[in-house]
Amino acid sequence: ELKVEQNPLFLSMQEGKNYTIYCNYSTTSDRLYWYRQDPGKSLESLFVLLSNGAVKQEGRLMASLDTKARLSTLHITAAVHDLSATYFCAVVRYNFNKFYFGSGTKLNVKP
Amino acid sequence: GAGVSQTPSNKVTEKGKYVELRCDPISGHTALYWYRQSLGQGPEFLIYFQGTGAADDSGLPNDRFFAVRPEGSVSTLKIQRTERGDSAVYLCASSFSGTGYWDEQYFGPGTRLTVT
Repeated sequence: ELKVEQNPLFLSMQEGKNYTIYCNYSTTSDRLYWYRQDPGKSLESLFVLLSNGAVKQEGRLMASLDTKARLSTLHITAAVHDLSATYFCAVVRYNFNKFYFGSGTKLNVKP
Repeated sequence: GAGVSQTPSNKVTEKGKYVELRCDPISGHTALYWYRQSLGQGPEFLIYFQGTGAADDSGLPNDRFFAVRPEGSVSTLKIQRTERGDSAVYLCASSFSGTGYWDEQYFGPGTRLTVT
């Protein structure tokens, strides 16, 4: 069974600061996803990472993947209040179609 | 275009009752997935349909849970003899093929089930 661990689970930060969320997974994976979830809402896809060394950036968020270390990071640059949400990573093995989600990181950016 | 829709958005039921949760996937998507998200947790896989057939139902917790997709489009998740531990948000997702390397799952807004 593939296990996905995120840390930290809770993150409170000031606007303008930088921080990184970590996602570790237990066995080989072909794809890694990052999602955002606002309270009471569904999951919004942020990034799909497909290969070792993949890096994707959108606005203040940058995601990277190290398949050898089985680690993905979501880096937040100069955080703003609008980024407050819960962020999930999810891992899937090719042709298995089951997404294995981490527990989520609840981010609160204080103005 | 229309995304994945789920009804009802909220369902409150008494312990022991039967409930049905409905999912309308994105038109043209052959793959459909059900997940359960408990409070403070990430979504947990329940079942995956490829067309009309359940390709993987390994996540269904017990035989009280059953899902169908008779025409390969709309799916219904059925829960018999509900228990308080079934309270959660049930998410549905669909994807174009379910087998493509680039395939991405699109999630619906979820049904919040509360068993009293």
